[in-house]
Parts: sequence; structure tokens; C-alpha cells
Amino acid sequence: AQRVTQPEKLLSVFKGAPVELKCNYSYSGSPELFWYVQYSRQRLQLLLRHISRESIKGFTADLNKGETSFHLKKPFAQEEDSAMYYCALQGSGGSNYKLTFGKGTLLTVNP
Amino acid sequence: EAGVVQSPRYKIIEKKQPVAFWCNPISGHNTLYWYRQNLGQGPELLIRYENEEAVDDSQLPKDRFSAERLKGVDSTLKIQPAELGDSAVYLCASSQFSKTQYFGPGTRLLVL
Repeated sequence: AQRVTQPEKLLSVFKGAPVELKCNYSYSGSPELFWYVQYSRQRLQLLLRHISRESIKGFTADLNKGETSFHLKKPFAQEEDSAMYYCALQGSGGSNYKLTFGKGTLLTVNP
Repeated sequence: EAGVVQSPRYKIIEKKQPVAFWCNPISGHNTLYWYRQNLGQGPELLIRYENEEAVDDSQLPKDRFSAERLKGVDSTLKIQPAELGDSAVYLCASSQFSKTQYFGPGTRLLVL
């Protein structure tokens, strides 16, 4: 079974501070990991995926297979980063279409 | 590009009434997904279509939920009869095969 855990329901930081949103997963094979973001009154949208190894809006995430983690990081948070963030896992093989989401972390960046 | 379109955006019904949600995927996307998102949870997959075929409906409560994707484009998800526990946001997503999934705005259902 595949499972995604986001231990923090709420995370509050000040503008300019570093931010890290935690994500741990459980999966027996080689998963693909994603971060989705939902800004207020907007649809769920892809922020980044681990295979891309790119930085989007200053955010990065590294897949740590040893610790089964995929934490999302940004060195200097901005107010516009305030949103709901979901970590998601896509399995390989027969279930390679299925996205399993964590419960999400609500990030608030205070001025 | 318009993105995934869903309607209605909001729906309030009384329990035991029927309700239907409609989704139009991104043009050219052969795979369509319906998810349900309960309050405080992440989305959970209900059903997946490849073209017009439902290839995974294992999570769909078949006693009251049904779905169809005529001609492999638009899709409709129906609940009959609705129960209080069906109150949730119903999300539609589409992708090209198993690639990145793009989500619609969702339909927020409240069952009274």
C-alpha cells in the first residue's frame, strides 16, 4: 500500500524566513513524488515533481530514498507563498497512474 | 488553454436527492480522473477512465455512485441517493496517459 504523511497541518513563518514543509512516504517500489499547491480560491496545481529536479517559485524538494522523505524547502518565504500544500505519490508498475495525497499543510507567511 | 472545466461549482441538496457533476477535460487528454476531497483531507481517487473505458473504479461506492464518459471526452459523476457523508469537494483531473494530472476547480457539495 502507498501512503503519504504530512505531519504538520499548519505552518506559520514570517516573510523572509526559511520554510520547510515535511513529507514522508511509504511505498515498496520506486515512486514518483510531487508537490501540489492550492492558493486561496484557486484550483489544485502542480508545483514540482522530483524527476524534474527544478526550482519553481524558489521552492525545491529532494527525494531522500533512505529516509523516504520529500520535503519542500524555500530559503526566503514570501507572503504570496501562503497556500495549502499537498505532497503526492505516484506508484510504478500497475498503479503508475494513481496519485496518493497527504492531508496537506496550510502555510501562512506573515508580513 | 481553458484547463479542466467542472460544473456546477457549488451544489446544495437534501439527503436522498440525486446529484450530478460534469467535467470537460483538457483537449487531447485521454485519461480522466474523479477524486473526492473530504474536509481536512487530501483528494482520494474514485474512478479513472482511459478514453471511454473505466479502468479503475475500485474506490467508487457503486451502490449509490455511477459515472460515465461518453465518446471519451466529457464525463458525468452521479450520486443517487445522496447521503450526509457525501458532503465533500469533487475534483476532476485529466492527463495524457499517466503523465502529469491537471485538476479542475472542483464542485463543492453540501448535503443537508
